[in-house]
Amino acid sequence: SAVISQKPSRDICQRGTSLTIQCQVDSQVTMMFWYRQQPGQSLTLIATANQGSEATYESGFVIDKFPISRPNLTFSTLTVSNLSPEDSSIYLCSASKGDGTYEQYFGPGTRLTVT
Amino acid sequence: GQQVMQIPQYQHVQEGEDFTTYCNSSTTLSNIQWYKQRPGGHPVFLIQLVKSGEVKKQKRLTFQFGEAKKNSSLHITATQTTDVGTYFCAGKGGGSQGNLIFGKGTKLSVKP
Repeated sequence: SAVISQKPSRDICQRGTSLTIQCQVDSQVTMMFWYRQQPGQSLTLIATANQGSEATYESGFVIDKFPISRPNLTFSTLTVSNLSPEDSSIYLCSASKGDGTYEQYFGPGTRLTVT
Repeated sequence: GQQVMQIPQYQHVQEGEDFTTYCNSSTTLSNIQWYKQRPGGHPVFLIQLVKSGEVKKQKRLTFQFGEAKKNSSLHITATQTTDVGTYFCAGKGGGSQGNLIFGKGTKLSVKP
């Protein structure tokens, strides 16, 4: 298994600013992912964070709005840029060892409120 | 694109009753996974099914993967209040990418 921590756990940000969320895994993992989850809703995949290369974004998500870094096999960041109230959500980081099981381990999430 | 549909959206049961949630994919899946998210918590992996027709059990939970690998179910026998939460299925298509498509989830409430 893998233990994942996220910082910050929650934040309140003003419109037009940016928030960077950090995700740390306690062991090396092959794949890391970023999701968005509205309260009471399902998980929507934003992007796959690729180590050493640009992230792979899902339809409807772009790099300018959600820049992602993954400098090594245990760490990734997601920035939500030019915040608007519609960005208020829970952002979850997950990781998979990629050993054929594709089981994903999730971080505790970051609750973002944009005022 | 690939879609994973899950029903019902909500289920309210009396403690001791059984519960089932169903998952259907628009395309054949290489595997399907089930996750549980407690209120205020994050999704936690329960199980992965890979083989056509596979059935796996975890105590009171029974997971099935359809013969065509396009549908799955989770059945809980004799629910307890600790079963409360949202159960998500997540399907993986073919290829080496690890990304999953999550269903909308079934929110289970258990009345003691």
